[in-house]
Amino acid sequence: DQQVKQNSPSLSVQEGRISILNCDYTNSMFDYFLWYKKYPAEGPTFLISISSIKDKNEDGRFTVFLNKSAKHLSLHIVPSQPGDSAVYFCAASPRGTGNQFYFGTGTSLTVIP
Amino acid sequence: DVKVTQSSRYLVKRTGEKVFLECVQDMDHENMFWYRQDPGLGLRLIYFSYDVKMKEKGDIPEGYSVSREKKERFSLILESASTNQTSMYLCASSSSREGYTFGSGTRLTVV
Repeated sequence: DQQVKQNSPSLSVQEGRISILNCDYTNSMFDYFLWYKKYPAEGPTFLISISSIKDKNEDGRFTVFLNKSAKHLSLHIVPSQPGDSAVYFCAASPRGTGNQFYFGTGTSLTVIP
Repeated sequence: DVKVTQSSRYLVKRTGEKVFLECVQDMDHENMFWYRQDPGLGLRLIYFSYDVKMKEKGDIPEGYSVSREKKERFSLILESASTNQTSMYLCASSSSREGYTFGSGTRLTVV
């Protein structure tokens, strides 16, 4: 049973516009969330994180929003660039389990020049 | 630059072969993980280890085993490879909840 879901397998956005990637989770014990970016034939790389004590975290062009009541988080990329084209995974960790993360199925983002 | 190194980028093995996937990290991390990535299924946890000689089953351990004799090395073993184990295998390590450092992955094809 998938505890972390990314319901959009793919997304296309024009260069310079905003990309919004969504992630839903079912486990109310999740209290720490990450976004990873993955290029083909490479391992995922860490992008941004958010703890459940916050509802927003920003790092340059990337902002993650957390809505705990809806069990929903989103990643905003503004402005989108062609180099952002990759697969994005969200991941969540339950409190008290140390380092174990559950990953979503990924969203493939294509930024069109 | 911190690194997780997976010994092979691409492997082709025959059904029934015993397959070893090696992973080495140079960050002195306690925690190491093996995932497989399949289209539409995301990353699924196979096994993980929080200490030397310690191992825990993840979500899909069937058909796999692991070995962690040294802190820096975590090996994934396919006892008898099958075609449904064709996948991208990703090793990761971590020392905290800040997140994982992943290796570049091994694309395994079982024919």
